[in-house]
Amino acid sequence: AQSVTQLDSQVPVFEEAPVELRCNYSSSVSVYLFWYVQYPNQGLQLLLKYLSGSTLVESINGFEAEFNKSQTSFHLRKPSVHISDTAEYFCAVSPAGGTSYGKLTFGQGTILTVHP
Amino acid sequence: DTAVSQTPKYLVTQMGNDKSIKCEQNLGHDTMYWYKQDSKKFLKIMFSYNNKELIINETVPNRFSPKSPDKAHLNLHINSLELGDSAVYFCASSQDDGPYEQYFGPGTRLTVT
Repeated sequence: AQSVTQLDSQVPVFEEAPVELRCNYSSSVSVYLFWYVQYPNQGLQLLLKYLSGSTLVESINGFEAEFNKSQTSFHLRKPSVHISDTAEYFCAVSPAGGTSYGKLTFGQGTILTVHP
Repeated sequence: DTAVSQTPKYLVTQMGNDKSIKCEQNLGHDTMYWYKQDSKKFLKIMFSYNNKELIINETVPNRFSPKSPDKAHLNLHINSLELGDSAVYFCASSQDDGPYEQYFGPGTRLTVT
């Protein structure tokens, strides 16, 4: 079984400041790691994912996340946030292969609020 | 073109009623899911279907019954609605061969009064 803990329920930040949203996971098997973003009144959208290879993954809108196996973490960062980044961010894990058919386990979500 | 669509977007109904939520995906994916997002935004998987076969069935009351007429559709039928069923229900889909990144629908906000 997997579990995901997002350490901050809310993160307020000013525009153009850097931000880090923290995510730790627990699993007895190898996992794939994901960050999803949910804008107000919308469904979830995949932001970025770690499958294998380079531990640093990037999204097209400037976010990056680093897989740290020893610390079982997958923190999300952005060096300079915009107002439009205001949303809720969910960290998720799924077993890497096997017959679990993609059972995603989500964290509790972190609300990022970017102030002008 | 909408990849994963759900209808209706909003559903308000009274306790004891039976209601259905429909989901369709045009991505050619093999696996579809239903999630429940509660008032605290916690997302939890309810069911998943792979090629019309039930794969994941979490501890969900029997009042909830998913139905998959074909691999592009996964509907959720709820009998005898209760106040605690009020939530946002999300449908999602993914490829069968991993890494199982999922594409979500816009959600159906169910309010039981």
